[in-house]
Amino acid sequence: SQQGEEDPQALSIQEGENATMNCSYKTSINNLQWYRQNSGRGLVHLILIRSNEREKHSGRLRVTLDTSKKSSSLLITASRAADTASYFCAPTFGNEKLTFGTGTRLTIIP
Amino acid sequence: GAVVSQHPSRVICKSGTSVKIECRSLDFQATTMFWYRQFPKQSLMLMATSNEGSKATYEQGVEKDKFLINHASLTLSTLTVTSAHPEDSSFYICSARVERGVTYEQYFGPGTRLTVT
Repeated sequence: SQQGEEDPQALSIQEGENATMNCSYKTSINNLQWYRQNSGRGLVHLILIRSNEREKHSGRLRVTLDTSKKSSSLLITASRAADTASYFCAPTFGNEKLTFGTGTRLTIIP
Repeated sequence: GAVVSQHPSRVICKSGTSVKIECRSLDFQATTMFWYRQFPKQSLMLMATSNEGSKATYEQGVEKDKFLINHASLTLSTLTVTSAHPEDSSFYICSARVERGVTYEQYFGPGTRLTVT
């Protein structure tokens, strides 16, 4: 299995601004999933993008995938205080196990 | 849909005792579940893969005799921390995987905070 590498490690923005975080991976994938983890809680599944998709939207979330660059980005628009959390990407091929990098710690400043 | 529950959410136990944590997929069946451990300010570390009806597969460095995993049904996996010690204090998270055509989605439980005194 492979793990994604999230960048930046930490990000602080003002409420209402957009937040962008990136994920890079090393080998071929079938899909890539993004998760959010609030402090002391489990992971919440945000969105899954398949390898044949380039962009996907869900509410205020926009995920892009560039398989040629082996990278993905997660954009959160019009950020809210409740978006403060750690965000993880999980690239997978087939039924690979999900393993995780250190994530991006997002802080929304009210 | 795709809700995973864990019980208990918090547990405190004395050193030397055993603790069982349950992981349930509430609205779907999961042939495969996973157990992770997370220390403060660190990422999730995969401990083991649990397959319904068969023995769990442990990651390197994880003691199978200490962390007993049972996946008795398609909706329930249990993790038992045997002879717990303070260094086993951690946040344990389970997840369940569901097949969607040619891809798999994985959903996580809310976690169990274990404190060993």
